[in-house]
Amino acid sequence: KNEVEQSPQNLTAQEGEFITINCSYSVGISALHWLQQHPGGGIVSLFMLSSGKKKHGRLIATINIQEKHSSLHITASHPRDSAVYICAVITGNQFYFGTGTSLTVIP
Amino acid sequence: KAGVTQTPRYLIKTRGQQVTLSCSPISGHRSVSWYQQTPGQGLQFLFEYFSETQRNKGNFPGRFSGRQFSNSRSEMNVSTLELGDSALYLCASSLLTGTGILPYGYTFGSGTRLTVV
Repeated sequence: KNEVEQSPQNLTAQEGEFITINCSYSVGISALHWLQQHPGGGIVSLFMLSSGKKKHGRLIATINIQEKHSSLHITASHPRDSAVYICAVITGNQFYFGTGTSLTVIP
Repeated sequence: KAGVTQTPRYLIKTRGQQVTLSCSPISGHRSVSWYQQTPGQGLQFLFEYFSETQRNKGNFPGRFSGRQFSNSRSEMNVSTLELGDSALYLCASSLLTGTGILPYGYTFGSGTRLTVV
């Protein structure tokens, strides 16, 4: 049983497209994180959310606590956005990671 | 400023051996957490240290242990290595512990890729 489900698992987009990655979870959480991992392993923290919406540049993250769902949007996608995007939720002292969405943006 | 430094970057060990990985956090960061990433299981939390004390621990066997020094540098040790321990081991540091295992304002290192043969 996976506490965190991400979709899609793989995503290919043309440069400039609007991209949405979804994260659904089954546990009560105190916070949700979106992470970006580039080839080679380096992980960058994109957002931490406990409610509402956050925006940073071309990235937007939203969370609906009642529906236990979060989305990560990328506007005007670019090849440098190609990476694996991982959703992680925190509940008490436990946390759960999604398996990631592999995004490829083609020029 | 320097980022989170993990050493070594790559490591090959034999089954049954033990290994020690090192993580030097960003200067001033007192929280260090460790993660294991494998193709099959994805990212999994190992443990978190703050001010030399282990504050949180994931569901890993006792062969996995860690410690943090007074300068906030952290080490993790895996004893009696198994083939399944082959993974990318990541650490992250943060100024604050926050309320969860991934505190706000954290930075990841590039990881140590361990191969057990």
